[in-house]
Order: sequence, then structure tokens, then C-alpha cells
Amino acid sequence: GAVVSQHPSRVICKSGTSVKIECRSLDFQATTMFWYRQFPKQSLMLMATSNEGSKATYEQGVEKDKFLINHASLTLSTLTVTSAHPEDSSFYICSARRAPGENQPQHFGDGTRLSIL
Amino acid sequence: AQKITQTQPGMFVQEKEAVTLDCTYDTSDQSYGLFWYKQPSSGEMIFLIYQGSYDEQNATEGRYSLNFQKARKSANLVISASQLGDSAMYFCAMREVYNQGGKLIFGQGTELSVKP
Repeated sequence: GAVVSQHPSRVICKSGTSVKIECRSLDFQATTMFWYRQFPKQSLMLMATSNEGSKATYEQGVEKDKFLINHASLTLSTLTVTSAHPEDSSFYICSARRAPGENQPQHFGDGTRLSIL
Repeated sequence: AQKITQTQPGMFVQEKEAVTLDCTYDTSDQSYGLFWYKQPSSGEMIFLIYQGSYDEQNATEGRYSLNFQKARKSANLVISASQLGDSAMYFCAMREVYNQGGKLIFGQGTELSVKP
């Protein structure tokens, strides 16, 4: 069954709207979660590392004021795309590692397809 | 900085045949992990197989095996007895053991199409 839940799966909204995406670990606590962005037929680009109880760590080139990340609990991280514009349209996907250990994979949510009109 | 390279944008394979998807990596770390994920058109990321840098044997998981050649820094995925449901994007990814919280860096991906 699903290990990481992401909601909503699809969002269509007008330019200028802020959109919040939730990522939940279902049966484990995740002190760290990751947010990726993916354009069609391209790879997953890491946007930021979400850290429970502290500030997120953003990758170079990612606007932290544009993509707000909050990790207020051990099972929930949120990504808010503020004042979204058409160029923000993309597939956003989160992940978390269920258990420590170098051989433990990241488990991914099902992703959110964001379309800004 | 670590880097993952998948040089095959697209691959075709006949059903029931085996196929190899290439992946090379670059890192200055001695400890790292290599992962392969499958992404169907629906978008979810499905974990397939893992290989640790210190693992002496190639990893296998059912029809998936990893051809790990450490000196060449390659970690190719072999899918045996291809099925139509194997048609998807395949991503190779690397995690340096001591980096921030275990983030993964992905290759460009290979789109596999299985022909009946």
C-alpha cells in the first residue's frame, strides 16, 4: 500500500493564486522530506529538503519566497506555490525515507499536476 | 558534485526479451547508494532496486538486476523477460551516504517501450 500520500493530485487555477500541496507519511515519522519538480519527459529536479521543526534547505536557483515549505509535524510537509503563474505549471512530487539506513529507498507520493491558466 | 548520466533517451525491446538500461555516475565519495525507479505514465515513482557502493554482489530483485561496475562507475539496470507493463520511464538515482538527509539526485531518464 501507499507509504507517502500527496494531495491534491491535480490542480487547475488562475494566475496569481497560491496553491498548497500536502505530503504525508502514512505509517512512519519523517523528519526529512523532499520536494521535486518534473517537466514533461524530463528528470526529477530536487527543489528543497524539508526539515521537521526547522527551515527548509533549498537547492540553488529555487526561490524560497516563491515555494514556501512548512514541515510542522513528523508526518506532514506542505509546499505552497505563492502567486502562481503559468511558468509554475509542472508536476510536483514529494518523497520521504521510511527508515534510516543507506539502503532504504525514498518513497514517493503520487505527485501533483499543477496547471496555471 | 555528484552527477548521474543516462545516455539513452529512449529504448525499444521486444516482449519477452531482456533489455539493459545504462547509467553512469560521478562522485568523489566512497560511500554511496544507487537506485533505480520506474515511472509509468500515471506519474508515480516505483522503487525497483538498490545497490550499495560496498556491496560486492550485483543486486537482484525478481526480473530486475543491476550490473554494477564500480571501477567504471556504471550501474546498468537489466530487465529480463520484458512485459508490456514494463513500458515506462526509468530513472537511475544516487545518494551520497553522508549528504543532507539522504537526498537523491536523478539521471535524465530512459523511456522504455516494450513491443508485443
